[in-house]
Amino acid sequence: DAKTTQPTSMDCAEGRAANLPCNHSTISGNEYVYWYRQIHSQGPQYIIHGLKNNETNEMASLIITEDRKSSTLILPHATLRDTAVYYCIGYKAAGNKLTFGGGTRVLVKP
Amino acid sequence: GAVVSQHPSWVICKSGTSVKIECRSLDFQATTMFWYRQFPKQSLMLMATSNEGSKATYEQGVEKDKFLINHASLTLSTLTVTSAHPEDSSFYICSAPVGTAGNTEAFFGQGTRLTVV
Repeated sequence: DAKTTQPTSMDCAEGRAANLPCNHSTISGNEYVYWYRQIHSQGPQYIIHGLKNNETNEMASLIITEDRKSSTLILPHATLRDTAVYYCIGYKAAGNKLTFGGGTRVLVKP
Repeated sequence: GAVVSQHPSWVICKSGTSVKIECRSLDFQATTMFWYRQFPKQSLMLMATSNEGSKATYEQGVEKDKFLINHASLTLSTLTVTSAHPEDSSFYICSAPVGTAGNTEAFFGQGTRLTVV
């Protein structure tokens, strides 16, 4: 699976959009970009995933660059409950094994 | 979405005893489950892959005789920490993938916090 690089931490204001970057320059053609988040002392929660097209669901939007070397997770209106560690993962679905990197610790402030 | 349930949520045990953690898929069958361990302020570390009906596959550096994994049915995998020591205190999390190739999602249990005293 591709190694991903994310900022260690970031703060964002409640009610504003939170843009979380991820670099995955070694991603292969059949690897999807997955985003999970982990709220303190809980199991990770799936957010969104994509291959090359931008994706949107009720939680977030995922913007993947055309060369697929990086992506951005967008939380459109951050709330205090979005405070969590966000993980960007390159995932070969056929292998079914998720390997977590360091993630980004996001703190949403009032 | 699919639900994965872990039990217990937390456990305290004495050094030298064994502890069993259960991971159940409640509304789907899981031929494969994964076990992770997470120390404070660190990321999740994959320990092993649990396979229904066959032996588990352990990641490098994980002692298979210490962390016994049994996947006896399509909805249950267990992790037994044998002869637990304080350094085994950690947050243990299981997950199960759902879906087909190209559209897979991993669902996670709520985790089990093990404290060895």
